[in-house]
Amino acid sequence: DVKVTQSSRYLVKRTGEKVFLECVQDMDHENMFWYRQDPGLGLRLIYFSYDVKMKEKGDIPEGYSVSREKKERFSLILESASTNQTSMYLCASSPLRDTQYFGPGTRLTVL
Amino acid sequence: LAKTTQPISMDSYEGQEVNITCSHNNIATNDYITWYQQFPSQGPRFIIQGYKTKVTNEVASLFIPADRKSSTLSLPRVSLSDTAVYYCLVGDIAGTYKYIFGTGTRLKVLA
Repeated sequence: DVKVTQSSRYLVKRTGEKVFLECVQDMDHENMFWYRQDPGLGLRLIYFSYDVKMKEKGDIPEGYSVSREKKERFSLILESASTNQTSMYLCASSPLRDTQYFGPGTRLTVL
Repeated sequence: LAKTTQPISMDSYEGQEVNITCSHNNIATNDYITWYQQFPSQGPRFIIQGYKTKVTNEVASLFIPADRKSSTLSLPRVSLSDTAVYYCLVGDIAGTYKYIFGTGTRLKVLA
């Protein structure tokens, strides 16, 4: 089975802190994605990566950056967390031309 | 990227067949149609994917008419555990397979 793991299920941070969310997949997938999910808005794509050190902006990249130094690992970085970044963050991975597999999600609260 | 439209919510009773229709008028030639299921506080889980006509697996069937401007997810004999949000997505197969998630259909199965 494909396994996508995220570093934390729940996280509480303070405004202005730098936050790292980490995602690891064990299936040698080329593509990796970060989404956030908010009530009434569905899932929105923040960034995705189609290869090591490659990244592309999704629909809502503002306030976020990403890093992919190794194929299996994709990190989402909040340089200076704000309260409007309180959300559920979902990581996904996929092979080329195939479906996306999601991790369990990280519920981030910024106080 | 093709946008999808699906009902916001549906109710059904245990043992009934449930059909959820999704419209995607601007679907492109290379787009596949994919359905995901999501339970509260979990990441979306892949259910079924198709390109045209009919696809069936152990969980569901997917019906796609010849013009591909809509698709119908069919869940046979639903149970209470099928209560979830169901997302219809279309995505290209050009490599990155970037999806647009809508707000999904909230299915509630009643006893």
